[in-house]
Amino acid sequence: DAGVIQSPRHEVTEMGQEVTLRCKPISGHDYLFWYRQTMMRGLELLIYFNNNVPIDDSGMPEDRFSAKMPNASFSTLKIQPSEPRDSAVYFCASTASGKGYEQYFGPGTRLTVT
Amino acid sequence: AQKVTQAQTEISVVEKEDVTLDCVYETRDTTYYLFWYKQPPSGELVFLIRRNSFDEQNEISGRYSWNFQKSTSSFNFTITASQVVDSAVYFCALSTGTASKLTFGTGTRLQVTL
Repeated sequence: DAGVIQSPRHEVTEMGQEVTLRCKPISGHDYLFWYRQTMMRGLELLIYFNNNVPIDDSGMPEDRFSAKMPNASFSTLKIQPSEPRDSAVYFCASTASGKGYEQYFGPGTRLTVT
Repeated sequence: AQKVTQAQTEISVVEKEDVTLDCVYETRDTTYYLFWYKQPPSGELVFLIRRNSFDEQNEISGRYSWNFQKSTSSFNFTITASQVVDSAVYFCALSTGTASKLTFGTGTRLQVTL
């Protein structure tokens, strides 16, 4: 079975540009999570969805960040406008209710904002 | 509020040594889940184990073993006969309720040398 798929794997952009990160969860999983990893803050949850509905977005740093999940197999995390401090690795994870709730992570997107 | 503490920032061992990674957690919830994830140099996060708060049985999987003690709020991870391939950052994490956000510790970097 395919794992969580994220694209792009690497993104380099200039400050002020819009960035869109994409995630395809494991088929059949009904929870999707977006995390960010930085040296300063470690791994932190940004937002998570259940059945395509956002449940907790308290970790979204500011209005420049937005996330959507239009269907069960696709989610996006958008940053507009991007800033250098957004540089991080962004992970998407998914899990299924009734299957232990362990979250399976995608390979991550390394974002560099110059 | 939940908190996970991994006091060991970095550990270096020689191959075939046993090593224990410590994890201490804080939560007021009576139902919670504890996890260990491995992040090798390639950067992905690999799920290792999940434990729920009602199951204090220790678990062994090959060279890996986990010791869960509610009395000391600890969930320690031991690698027996370490190998170079075990070199990675290991994260302990906590979630409460069912599928919810993971609160990660700061990670322990394990370096195994020949």
